[in-house]
Amino acid sequence: QKEVEQDPGPLSVPEGAIVSLNCTYSNSAFQYFMWYRQYSRKGPELLMYTYSSGNKEDGRFTAQVDKSSKYISLFIRDSQPSDSATYLCAMSISGNTGKLIFGQGTTLQVKP
Amino acid sequence: DGGITQSPKYLFRKEGQNVTLSCEQNLNHDAMYWYRQDPGQGLRLIYYSQIVNDFQKGDIAEGYSVSREKKESFPLTVTSAQKNPTAFYLCASSRRTTSGGADTQYFGPGTRLTVL
Repeated sequence: QKEVEQDPGPLSVPEGAIVSLNCTYSNSAFQYFMWYRQYSRKGPELLMYTYSSGNKEDGRFTAQVDKSSKYISLFIRDSQPSDSATYLCAMSISGNTGKLIFGQGTTLQVKP
Repeated sequence: DGGITQSPKYLFRKEGQNVTLSCEQNLNHDAMYWYRQDPGQGLRLIYYSQIVNDFQKGDIAEGYSVSREKKESFPLTVTSAQKNPTAFYLCASSRRTTSGGADTQYFGPGTRLTVL
């Protein structure tokens, strides 16, 4: 079993839809949670960074962490064709060297 | 412009050859990382370095080697011992945390290596 599980999709939605992307994990020691966006043939770029449980909002993006369920989510409101990309969740253990464990990524397509 | 550069963008290698991928950063970050990305498998850590002249193996270090002689540079050599080297290679860097937490990793644009 992988430490971090993420449905690879692809996920296809119409423009303007609310998108929900999710990851589950097995290691309860994870404390830091990140979402990266990766366009085709490019390096990942950080979208959201949260520590421990709770919600964090940034524009159209909301990150949610539920440590009791070992489940994290990224919501995208009013999705745009420019949001079409692969979304990677990543997490890290407090006190670690900074090593991140990544999910395999979910490919999202937003159709105009 | 601060950032991470990787070169070359595309690299072709014959079987049995060693190749070196370049990674340079001007963010003044202490920590640097190398990942490998295969379709449907996310990112897997090859090597990482928290400080100059020191580095550690990641989850898939076999067939790879690194050096960290300068803070801004972390080259990766893919040796002939790597059985399946065709992949997308990503370099990242971050500040070294003193509190024990995980700091944000910034990624380069990647190098796509193909073995002929």
